[in-house]
Amino acid sequence: KQEVTQIPAALSVPEGENLVLNCSFTDSAIYNLQWFRQDPGKGLTSLLLIQSSQREQTSGRLNASLDKSSGRSTLYIAASQPGDSATYLCAVIPNTGTASKLTFGTGTRLQVTL
Amino acid sequence: KAGVTQTPRYLIKTRGQQVTLSCSPISGHRSVSWYQQTPGQGLQFLFEYFSETQRNKGNFPGRFSGRQFSNSRSEMNVSTLELGDSALYLCASSLIDRDNEQFFGPGTRLTVL
Repeated sequence: KQEVTQIPAALSVPEGENLVLNCSFTDSAIYNLQWFRQDPGKGLTSLLLIQSSQREQTSGRLNASLDKSSGRSTLYIAASQPGDSATYLCAVIPNTGTASKLTFGTGTRLQVTL
Repeated sequence: KAGVTQTPRYLIKTRGQQVTLSCSPISGHRSVSWYQQTPGQGLQFLFEYFSETQRNKGNFPGRFSGRQFSNSRSEMNVSTLELGDSALYLCASSLIDRDNEQFFGPGTRLTVL
């Protein structure tokens, strides 16, 4: 059974810092991995999708990498801003079938302070 | 392009009642998935529909059911509500299948008293 873990569970950084969020998964047979952010009481906002054949994806100040063999993905946020404060979730899709079932990580709650 | 919409946004029900939640995917998207989010269990997959057929199902009791219509809109139903069903129910849509990025709606907050 796939298990997805995110470390740290919570993180507080001052504005302007670069930071790295970690995501680990136990079964390396994944099809793709997606990063989301969730603001309190709200739905999920998609940040980046990394296909299994890719090693990284970039969008603005965000860069996500994927190392399937080691079961790890990292989300790098450059020059953090207070608006980045949210919970960040990674999710994987298994390498079987065509269904879009996401298995989510436990999340990292990020606070960026002024 | 409009995002994923879910109605209602908030619901309060009592134990034993049933409830129906609705999800309208992004225009052109044919896959709709449902997730339950609770503080204790996190985000858990309920089921996925594609072309009006259930393509995958999570480990939830039969009280949880869903369907998809020809216009890709989806509904999920929970019968005989229990206190533990209180959660944020999220709907996600994607173009076709696992190749495609998934987009989530704002969720329906269900409270069971």
